Amino acid sequence: GAVVSQHPSWVICKSGTSVKIECRSLDFQATTMFWYRQFPKQSLMLMATSNEGSKATYEQGVEKDKFLINHASLTLSTLTVTSAHPEDSSFYICSAPRQGHEQYFGPGTRLTVT
Amino acid sequence: AQRVTQPEKLLSVFKGAPVELKCNYSYSGSPELFWYVQYSRQRLQLLLRHISRESIKGFTADLNKGETSFHLKKPFAQEEDSAMYYCALNAGGTSYGKLTFGQGTILTVHP
Repeated sequence: GAVVSQHPSWVICKSGTSVKIECRSLDFQATTMFWYRQFPKQSLMLMATSNEGSKATYEQGVEKDKFLINHASLTLSTLTVTSAHPEDSSFYICSAPRQGHEQYFGPGTRLTVT
Repeated sequence: AQRVTQPEKLLSVFKGAPVELKCNYSYSGSPELFWYVQYSRQRLQLLLRHISRESIKGFTADLNKGETSFHLKKPFAQEEDSAMYYCALNAGGTSYGKLTFGQGTILTVHP
């Protein structure tokens, strides 16, 4: 089946620094990808829609300057958490829908900000 | 705006017992409903979608538009069914749009 990968799987950074998370569709092209945030044992909250070749669409309440999204190619979207703070610590998950199939999820990236 | 509610955060049953995970939604249009499962330390994966009306791993789910529900059922639970289950809604009417997730239900099946 189709695979979506994320890198890194786990990252620790200091408060005030920025961290980049990559989401790749390994065997199909994805003009759209989605970024979710998940708190421990809680639901996934959609943060933004990443669109190849155009600006990302952010959900209400999500700071676009805080969470920078770049959909550089048909197989890669990146989420950069800028000036990270401890409250940004979370599990970030991306997904990529594949036409004619389903939406595939990445394994997630655990971000810990100290 | 659409909303998905899973009233039970935790659900425990014994092996061989029937299980039902509840899901209610609110949306004015015709949504597409899904059940996703997340096993321990694994990624989220699709279990069922309402339009396919299929049975996967013994699970079924029927969309009840009158009650705005999409409950997940299995007549005989197995230990390997223990996982986190999410009900999700796609307001766009396709499998490809953004999803609104419920809060999730942790199912534990005891031996």
